[in-house]
Amino acid sequence: NAGVTQTPKFQVLKTGQSMTLQCAQDMNHEYMSWYRQDPGMGLRLIHYSVGAGITDQGEVPNGYNVSRSTTEDFPLRLLSAAPSQTSVYFCASSLRDGHSTDTQYFGPGTRLTVL
Amino acid sequence: GQQVMQIPQYQHVQEGEDFTTYCNSSTTLSNIQWYKQRPGGHPVFLIQLVKSGEVKKQKRLTFQFGEAKKNSSLHITATQTTDVGTYFCAGFRTGANNLFFGTGTRLTVIP
Repeated sequence: NAGVTQTPKFQVLKTGQSMTLQCAQDMNHEYMSWYRQDPGMGLRLIHYSVGAGITDQGEVPNGYNVSRSTTEDFPLRLLSAAPSQTSVYFCASSLRDGHSTDTQYFGPGTRLTVL
Repeated sequence: GQQVMQIPQYQHVQEGEDFTTYCNSSTTLSNIQWYKQRPGGHPVFLIQLVKSGEVKKQKRLTFQFGEAKKNSSLHITATQTTDVGTYFCAGFRTGANNLFFGTGTRLTVIP
């Protein structure tokens, strides 16, 4: 199993550009989520999905869209990038729908810079 | 605002010294998980505590969950250079279905 994969590893955007961060998992996990990591802020939840076709907002959803058309994939879209979205983005998955005892498996992260 | 706070934010220790990070939640947690993130890496699960007052050990690491299930601690005995990284606690608020991460403690070990 590859686990959780993310592409790209690094990305530089100009303000106003759009892009999609890709996330895929091959563990047949129901729950997938996106976090952003900023210095001193820990990991903050952007959006999450408890299964294919179901998504919901986390703590910091503004400026981001998600969809979950398959169990494996959970892309994160930035429609109009802003410098405040400069961050490291992590995708994570767990076996069940956010069950409290499940381990979160993280992808390697995408380091995004918005100029 | 941030629901789960960790202190200290940074800690520098000499190799062989002990290290402790504390995690405090403003609300009761159903469980607490601890993750370690090596520099440049991604968070990796270490352990989970579920019961009030629970204590678990992994070699030199000791994890505690408070009686009120609002706080937790991670203690490392005799740190080694391999312990370098950021340690995060994370918990589910009772009744919620999302994991909230603490602010993290970055540990530097000086050889």
